[in-house]
Amino acid sequence: EAGVTQSPTHLIKTRGQQVTLRCSPISGHTSVYWYQQALGLGLQFLLWYDEGEERNRGNFPPRFSGRQFPNYSSELNVNALELEDSALYLCASSLVDRGLYEQYFGPGTRLTVT
Amino acid sequence: DAKTTQPPSMDCAEGRAANLPCNHSTISGNEYVYWYRQIHSQGPQYIIHGLKNNETNEMASLIITEDRKSSTLILPHATLRDTAVYYCIVRVAGTGRRALTFGSGTRLQVQP
Repeated sequence: EAGVTQSPTHLIKTRGQQVTLRCSPISGHTSVYWYQQALGLGLQFLLWYDEGEERNRGNFPPRFSGRQFPNYSSELNVNALELEDSALYLCASSLVDRGLYEQYFGPGTRLTVT
Repeated sequence: DAKTTQPPSMDCAEGRAANLPCNHSTISGNEYVYWYRQIHSQGPQYIIHGLKNNETNEMASLIITEDRKSSTLILPHATLRDTAVYYCIVRVAGTGRRALTFGSGTRLQVQP
């Protein structure tokens, strides 16, 4: 069974630009989560999508947004990039099983903003 | 979700058991203990979870104290590939899918 996939693996952007990151969940998983991990810092929750709807967002500005498609894949968009947006962006998916669930993470996208 | 406390770092000799402690003294009755690990610059990997009984799978064992205020993740025969940051997370089950709250974890260094 294929795991969570993310693209691209790495990218470099200039301050002020916009970027789109993509995530494909494990087949059958309907929830997708996005996390940010800046260098030397912990994982910070960004966004949670379930059944095509945004269910919750972390403490990030509105220039971080995304969406989930009917096939449950997801995009994370970041507008007006700032230097501090340089980080590893991780996507995870999960499936509810009697209310218990584990999140399965993808390999991440390493974003560098110069 | 209950707060957890973990030592910032630990060392373990290759081939020996690695015992990683986690304190969750404010855990409530419907909260589960989850363990994840993150190998350098990769996505976190689910290891194991439990409520009050000890659990074992192909990766590790989870020992939860009778009062549930602390737990220990055991890697029975640590290898160099087990070098990673290990996160202990306490969260409620049955309330739908929500984001995980990661603390700073324990950096386990397995020594050859």
